[in-house]
Amino acid sequence: QITLKESGPSLVKPTQTLTLTCTFSGFSLTTSEVGVGWIRQSPGKALEWLAVIHWNDVLRYNPSLDNRLTITKDTSKNQVVLTLTNVLPVDTGTYYCGHRLTQRGFDSWGQGTLVAVST
Amino acid sequence: DIQMTQSPSTLSTSVGDRVTIACRASQNVYTWLAWYQHKPGKAPKLLIYEASNLQSGVPSRFSGSGSGTEFTFTISSLQPDDFATYYCQQYSDYPWTFGQGTRVEIK
Repeated sequence: QITLKESGPSLVKPTQTLTLTCTFSGFSLTTSEVGVGWIRQSPGKALEWLAVIHWNDVLRYNPSLDNRLTITKDTSKNQVVLTLTNVLPVDTGTYYCGHRLTQRGFDSWGQGTLVAVST
Repeated sequence: DIQMTQSPSTLSTSVGDRVTIACRASQNVYTWLAWYQHKPGKAPKLLIYEASNLQSGVPSRFSGSGSGTEFTFTISSLQPDDFATYYCQQYSDYPWTFGQGTRVEIK
């Protein structure tokens, strides 16, 4: 059974760096065709894909985040970490991590973690 | 970026109704399209991948079709548990993009 869980601060101040951790079980990020991505939903808005990291270390980011994103993996800990620098109030939202296989969508998701950007 | 446009934005329906949601891509995404169900406070749930493949464990009343730029998602007979927001997502090209969502609500 695949499970994922997001963790990180619930409140960050503008201009700070947000670090979120996705801890997963039931699969390995060393297995071919596996990827872990981050998706967020701002209040009242649609889902927005942010970044993905694959088993072969291929990374992709959403350029709309103006190069503020970094995604890394620690296969020994079964974790994927997302950092977002210089956060803005518009970065407020629920952040999800998800598992995917190549040629498929995100088939398992974490419960999400709510992050508020405010002074 | 590939823009995904869903219609309608809101659907007022009743239990037992047939529900159809359209998703249009601004460029050819072949069949690299997924459909998700999202309920408030819950994680999104993958229903359909590769435009028409039913995700394991998903009831057969859900189906998807289409290719290229035009896609359709159907619920053959709406059940009480199906009231939610539905999103299409293309994964043909980066950045992956979602539609704006279709809220299926009780009439």
